[in-house]
Amino acid sequence: DADVTQTPRNRITKTGKRIMLECSQTKGHDRMYWYRQDPGLGLRLIYYSFDVKDINKGEISDGYSVSRQAQAKFSLSLESAIPNQTALYFCATSETGTGYGYTFGSGTRLTVV
Amino acid sequence: EDQVTQSPEALRLQEGESSSLNCSYTVSGLRGLFWYRQDPGKGPEFLFTLYSAGEEKEKERLKATLTKKESFLHITAPKPEDSATYLCAVFQGGSEKLVFGKGTKLTVNP
Repeated sequence: DADVTQTPRNRITKTGKRIMLECSQTKGHDRMYWYRQDPGLGLRLIYYSFDVKDINKGEISDGYSVSRQAQAKFSLSLESAIPNQTALYFCATSETGTGYGYTFGSGTRLTVV
Repeated sequence: EDQVTQSPEALRLQEGESSSLNCSYTVSGLRGLFWYRQDPGKGPEFLFTLYSAGEEKEKERLKATLTKKESFLHITAPKPEDSATYLCAVFQGGSEKLVFGKGTKLTVNP
């Protein structure tokens, strides 16, 4: 089984719908992140959480919300999806402390029509 | 503002034709430079971490090097299976969040 699991793998939704992307990890890491990736723009940080009670906005948090249900689970919600939120979404985890890289999930491809 | 710039954006090589990818960065107090490989539709996969100028890491046909301003990913005698997008990232100054470059898409033709 993958260390970082994202569900669903693919999703098509309509404009205005609420949608939740889920991430779970077996790495035992305290830190979790949500990124989106768009062609030509690279990976951009949406939200991050350094522990269950610590949630922070990233550079592009507008239109998104998150929930850290447990150390192992971090969900991303789009309250009212819009077409420019069509992208590839990645969850990542890391150990606490400086200098540790991230482990990424396989991604969720979201299309908003 | 901390920045990570990768060049070229895309690179086409023939099998066996060695080359290098560049990652230049501006960040105060480097606390790690990371290289990732990403296949289409998949998550980035960790390759290397470099912490100080002069450091080198190798894995199969890949070798990463680091100076005070940039890092190179050298690919020796590449094979078609090396085709992927290669990303570099550094920790944003004063924080523990990684900031990524936009990547170099490498295509190796047989």
